[in-house]
Amino acid sequence: KQEVTQIPAALSVPEGENLVLNCSFTDSAIYNLQWFRQDPGKGLTSLLLIQSSQREQTSGRLNASLDKSSGRSTLYIAASQPGDSATYLCALRTGANNLFFGTGTRLTVIP
Amino acid sequence: NAGVTQTPKFQVLKTGQSMTLQCAQDMNHEYMSWYRQDPGMGLRLIHYSVGAGITDQGEVPNGYNVSRSTTEDFPLRLLSAAPSQTSVYFCASSYGAGGQTGELFFGEGSRLTVL
Repeated sequence: KQEVTQIPAALSVPEGENLVLNCSFTDSAIYNLQWFRQDPGKGLTSLLLIQSSQREQTSGRLNASLDKSSGRSTLYIAASQPGDSATYLCALRTGANNLFFGTGTRLTVIP
Repeated sequence: NAGVTQTPKFQVLKTGQSMTLQCAQDMNHEYMSWYRQDPGMGLRLIHYSVGAGITDQGEVPNGYNVSRSTTEDFPLRLLSAAPSQTSVYFCASSYGAGGQTGELFFGEGSRLTVL
């Protein structure tokens, strides 16, 4: 079974810092990897989707990379803002019924 | 553009009662799914569908039924509610269901409490 790990579980940084969130997985046979953010009491908002054949995706201040050979994905957030405070989840899809979520990294950006 | 819409947002049930959580999407997505999110357990797949008339079980299907009579709607039925089903339920949809799967979109969630 695919194991998805996100470390650290929580991260606190001052506003303006660049930061990296990590997602590790054990099985490289994936269809795609998706990064989400979840605000307290809310649903999951899609940030970036990386297909298996791609190495990275960018959207604004966010950049996600995928390295299947090492079983890692990183989400880079540039110039962090207090509004970036949320829980960030990665999810790997390996089939129609196989979508594996990490347990998330809770990010706090301090003004 | 509504995306994925879930109703109700909050519900309190007594043990043994039944109810249906509604999910609708307006993006013409083939794939729809239901998850539950519990503290320390992450998101777990309950049931999913790859098209109208096609449903299948996920990781934690016991106590739940689904049907997919249209592309747009994917209701989740709790047959006889139990306290262990207290959770936050999310519906999600995406284009495709296999190697060409697209971005997964989530609803806002339905918070269910079973007393």
